[in-house]
Amino acid sequence: QKEVEQDPGPLSVPEGAIVSLNCTYSNSAFQYFMWYRQYSRKGPELLMYTYSSGNKEDGRFTAQVDKSSKYISLFIRDSQPSDSATYLCAMITYGNNRLAFGKGNQVVVIP
Amino acid sequence: NAGVTQTPKFRVLKTGQSMTLLCAQDMNHEYMYWYRQDPGMGLRLIHYSVGEGTTAKGEVPDGYNVSRLKKQNFLLGLESAAPSQTSVYFCASSIDSLPNSNQPQHFGDGTRLSIL
Repeated sequence: QKEVEQDPGPLSVPEGAIVSLNCTYSNSAFQYFMWYRQYSRKGPELLMYTYSSGNKEDGRFTAQVDKSSKYISLFIRDSQPSDSATYLCAMITYGNNRLAFGKGNQVVVIP
Repeated sequence: NAGVTQTPKFRVLKTGQSMTLLCAQDMNHEYMYWYRQDPGMGLRLIHYSVGEGTTAKGEVPDGYNVSRLKKQNFLLGLESAAPSQTSVYFCASSIDSLPNSNQPQHFGDGTRLSIL
């Protein structure tokens, strides 16, 4: 079993819809959880960062962590065509220099 | 402010050839990383460096070597390229060890390498 599982999709939604992405993980030692956004032919950029279980909101983006279920989610409200990208989840334990990434989930927002 | 710059952006090699990928960052970051990204595999860490003159193995180090002679540069070498090394290679840097929400990893835009 891979440390981090993420369904690669792709996921197509109409503009204005809510996008829901998720990852599961097997290593209970993971403490920090991130979502990266990667546009085509670009490097990943950090989108959201969470430490504890619960929700974190930043504009149209909400990151959710459920450590008891080893499950994290990213929600994008009022999706825009500019949100079309690949979204990667990543997680790490404290003091470790290696991020464990999911495979990435391609999202297409149709105008 | 260029951030993280990778050269070259594209390269085609023949099996057995050698080459060096260059990563340069202008943010005075201590930590630098080399990843490869393959379809269905996500990003995997090849090697990383915690400061000038240091290197360490990541998840998939075999077939690669690295050097960090200057703080701003991190070189990834393929001594004898194999088709299995066809991939997109990303370099990243961070000011400190992970994790830190205020000091995330900054990624370059990748080097697309094909080995025939």
